[in-house]
Amino acid sequence: SQQGEEDPQALSIQEGENATMNCSYKTSINNLQWYRQNSGRGLVHLILIRSNEREKHSGRLRVTLDTSKKSSSLLITASRAADTASYFCATVSNTGNQFYFGTGTSLTVIP
Amino acid sequence: EPEVTQTPSHQVTQMGQEVILRCVPISNHLYFYWYRQILGQKVEFLVSFYNNEISEKSEIFDDQFSVERPDGSNFTLKIRSTKLEDSAMYFCASSKTSGSADTQYFGPGTRLTVL
Repeated sequence: SQQGEEDPQALSIQEGENATMNCSYKTSINNLQWYRQNSGRGLVHLILIRSNEREKHSGRLRVTLDTSKKSSSLLITASRAADTASYFCATVSNTGNQFYFGTGTSLTVIP
Repeated sequence: EPEVTQTPSHQVTQMGQEVILRCVPISNHLYFYWYRQILGQKVEFLVSFYNNEISEKSEIFDDQFSVERPDGSNFTLKIRSTKLEDSAMYFCASSKTSGSADTQYFGPGTRLTVL
């Protein structure tokens, strides 16, 4: 299976703290993407990192990719209560048509 | 900002009935997808569609499922004879190019409840 697997499964932090979520996958990839899902809602794209990139930033988000370890991390700095959501990494099939989502990390930011 | 839209937001149906879930992808996108998420579980790929034909499908996408692009804007998922286990959130997504080079933009989902 190419599915990404996130850890931890759940994370609870105080507002203002940083949150780090990790993702591991099994096969070679062209890119890896992170999505956020608020409870009962759709998936919101956060950031895409290509296989030839090691780090990428977008606002308070920082994503790293280590293709040798087949792992990625998502760091949210200075967390806010509004960051409370589930975060998923997604890898793409070799055909480029199918996304494989992991089980997600449920982040709770306590005000 | 363009977005993927889905209707209805919630569909309740009796087991054995046919349902059609509708999606309007982003207008200049060429690749379309359906995913489902059973409550509390991960998002699962169902099917991808390009150039008016299915390009890839998962084991979940059996003969009960079909997709169609009936006109230039809509993309539909039909479930012919719903089962209780079809109850889930169904997400439509679209991308400008293939997912290996591009991101997929997701709609807000349709919650399907089969009674």
